[in-house]
Parts: sequence; C-alpha cells; structure tokens
Amino acid sequence: NAGVTQTPKFRILKIGQSMTLQCTQDMNHNYMYWYRQDPGMGLKLIYYSVGAGITDKGEVPNGYNVSRSTTEDFPLRLELAAPSQTSVYFCASSKDGNYEQYFGPGTRLTVT
Amino acid sequence: TQLLEQSPQFLSIQEGENLTVYCNSSSVFSSLQWYRQEPGEGPVLLVTVVTGGEVKKLKRLTFQFGDARKDSSLHITAAQTGDTGLYLCAGLGSSYKLIFGSGTRLLVRP
Repeated sequence: NAGVTQTPKFRILKIGQSMTLQCTQDMNHNYMYWYRQDPGMGLKLIYYSVGAGITDKGEVPNGYNVSRSTTEDFPLRLELAAPSQTSVYFCASSKDGNYEQYFGPGTRLTVT
Repeated sequence: TQLLEQSPQFLSIQEGENLTVYCNSSSVFSSLQWYRQEPGEGPVLLVTVVTGGEVKKLKRLTFQFGDARKDSSLHITAAQTGDTGLYLCAGLGSSYKLIFGSGTRLLVRP
C-alpha cells in the first residue's frame, strides 16, 4: 500500500492564480482531511469528508474548496491565491473518526 | 472554541537526559493523540489515550491522560538523538475533528 499520496510536493503560485492539490489514499478509508501547517505551528483543519459525496468545513475554510467524488480522492482547490495561503498542506485519512489519521508527505506552497 | 496549548515550545537537551512535554486545555476531549513529525514529512501517530488517568508506555516514552481528560503529558527517559522532532498533541473534538496543539520542537544533542 502506498498510503496517502499528495501531488505536487512543491509549488510556487503568483497572487490571483488558482491550483488544485491532489490527494489519494489506497486504504479504503472513509474519512479524509486537509490541514495547513504554518511555520512553527500545529495543524489547522481546512476541510474534511466522512465519505464520498460528503464534505464539511473545518477551522480555516476561506479561500479553499473541496470535492469528494470517490472514496480514494480528495482534491483541494485554491481559487485566487493570496500570500496568506503560503503554507505546507497535509492530506490525511482515517478508517473512521475515532481512529488514527494517516498523513501524506505534504505540499509546500508559496504564493508571491 | 477548543484549544490545546503545548509547553515548552522548544526544548534542547543533551543525549541521556529526561524530559516532559505538556499539553493543556480548558476543554474535555474524548481522546487525545500524540504525533511525532520529522522535517519534510507528515505527522506519525505515537499513541492514543482514551480513559482519564490512563498511562501508556512506548519503550522510553510514557504518555499520561489527565483524570479530567483536559490535559496530557509525554515523558521521555534517557533521550536519544533519534527522538529529535516536532511532537504534536491532538484532541478529538466534536464531529470527529482533531484539534492540534502548536507543538514542541525537541532537539537532542549528541
């Protein structure tokens, strides 16, 4: 099993550009999550999903959108990138809400 | 809003020393998880504590959940350079969402 994979690993965006961060898991997990981690800080939840077709906002959803059309994939869309979105983005999945979360390796995004 | 505060934020110790990291909140959590994160990687789960007063040991690491399930501690005995990393506590809040602390960055010097 590859676990949770994320692409790209690094990306530089100009202000106002858009992009999609890809996340795929092969563990047949129902729950998937997107977090951002700013330098020296913990993780803040952006969006999460409890199953295909179901998504909900986390703590910091503004400026982002998600979709969950399959169990495996949970892409994160940034529209109109802003410098405040410079961060490291982690995708995670878990069997259900009570279980361990498995994290991907992260995407380092810089918006200039 | 549920918040978790970790202390200290940064700890630099000599190999062989003992240390304790704290995770505190004014909120009650149904469970609390500890993760370790190495540079350039995602967090990896170390342990989950569920019952108030619970103590779990993982080799030289001892985790304790407070009686009221509002706080937790991580104690490392005889630290090794391989213990270097960012330690994150995370409480399971409402709607199965994890609330992360800001982390303790540990540096173990040889």
